[in-house]
Amino acid sequence: DAGVIQSPRHEVTEMGQEVTLRCKPISGHDYLFWYRQTMMRGLELLIYFNNNVPIDDSGMPEDRFSAKMPNASFSTLKIQPSEPRDSAVYFCASLTRRTSWGVQFFGPGTRLTVL
Amino acid sequence: QQQVKQSPQSLIVQKGGISIINCAYENTAFDYFPWYQQFPGKGPALLIAIRPDVSEKKEGRFTISFNKSAKQFSLHIMDSQPGDSATYFCAASDMGNEKLTFGTGTRLTIIP
Repeated sequence: DAGVIQSPRHEVTEMGQEVTLRCKPISGHDYLFWYRQTMMRGLELLIYFNNNVPIDDSGMPEDRFSAKMPNASFSTLKIQPSEPRDSAVYFCASLTRRTSWGVQFFGPGTRLTVL
Repeated sequence: QQQVKQSPQSLIVQKGGISIINCAYENTAFDYFPWYQQFPGKGPALLIAIRPDVSEKKEGRFTISFNKSAKQFSLHIMDSQPGDSATYFCAASDMGNEKLTFGTGTRLTIIP
């Protein structure tokens, strides 16, 4: 299996622009998580899905952030408009209870820089 | 109540020594305690995990010690190697919830 795939790996954009981050979970995994990692705040859970349905979005910082999961193999995290304080590494992770309960498999992350 | 407190923030250990990272939690419903390892430029990856029905779990040079009454758990790395240099996160969740609560991370550096 290729593991969790994220794109792009690096994104540099200017304040006010729309940013879309993409994630392909491991095939067969039915949970998908979006995290943000910064030096100041560590690893923060933004939102997670089960069977493509958002379960908990309490970590989404504000209305500028939105996430979708249109099917089992694809999810997006969108920031519109972006701000410099959104600069961070964004991780996607997936999980299945069927074969590896509790183990979240993380992607390589997208490093976002907002100028 | 959802917090997991991790210490120290950074740790330097000589090669061959024992690295110890500690975590404490408040939520008594937590019953799954994994440790994740993260190398620079990579996502975190599960290293070892424990459930509260045992007080210790060992996998190779890595051991989790768990103290249910104190609500504390720790990671011990025996015979620490330069390749162990990474950031380590403790985490916790309860059986009915796939959501992990992560500690703030410990940057471990093993020096020759």
